[in-house]
Amino acid sequence: DTAVSQTPKYLVTQMGNDKSIKCEQNLGHDTMYWYKQDSKKFLKIMFSYNNKELIINETVPNRFSPKSPDKAHLNLHINSLELGDSAVYFCASSHSPTDTGELFFGEGSRLTVL
Amino acid sequence: AQSVTQLGSHVSVSEGALVLLRCNYSSSVPPYLFWYVQYPNQGLQLLLKYTSAATLVKGINGFEAEFKKSETSFHLTKPSAHMSDAAEYFCAVSYTGTASKLTFGTGTRLQVTL
Repeated sequence: DTAVSQTPKYLVTQMGNDKSIKCEQNLGHDTMYWYKQDSKKFLKIMFSYNNKELIINETVPNRFSPKSPDKAHLNLHINSLELGDSAVYFCASSHSPTDTGELFFGEGSRLTVL
Repeated sequence: AQSVTQLGSHVSVSEGALVLLRCNYSSSVPPYLFWYVQYPNQGLQLLLKYTSAATLVKGINGFEAEFKKSETSFHLTKPSAHMSDAAEYFCAVSYTGTASKLTFGTGTRLQVTL
């Protein structure tokens, strides 16, 4: 039973399109995250939700809109996709935002914008 | 701002040889330090973490890391590399000890050869 699952794993789309990535965790954690990993493997936090409330919103274009319908789900919607959005997007969760640093990651969603 | 520097984006060792992956942090306060591993096409998983208890931390799969305040380092070692250790390794730091404030290094790819 996968702890943090993301769909889809692969996404290939044209510039200007809108796409969504879904994430679900069955660990009972309160906090979920979206990270972006670029082509150089640099990993940067984008958003974090705690119990459905946004607690971290890094400098991310407002074309990116996260949504958390409940604490087990965190989705990411991206409007007007650009070439620079191509990356691997990782969902992660932790017990709480004050947990001592262990994040549980999904397998990633590789987005390619053509 | 908190940061970690991983020296060497790519390290190659022979099977059975010592693995040494380097990580230095910048800090004026005691940090919490972590090593995560990313196997191909998978999400990151925690190898070990330092949270100001013992300076030598043992993790999974035979890895360990030593916190050296005088050198601001947290290098990852394993006495004998195995082919299955081939992966990307990320050092991460948090000065609040909280999952929501992790900053990752740029990663080191470990290659293990016969």
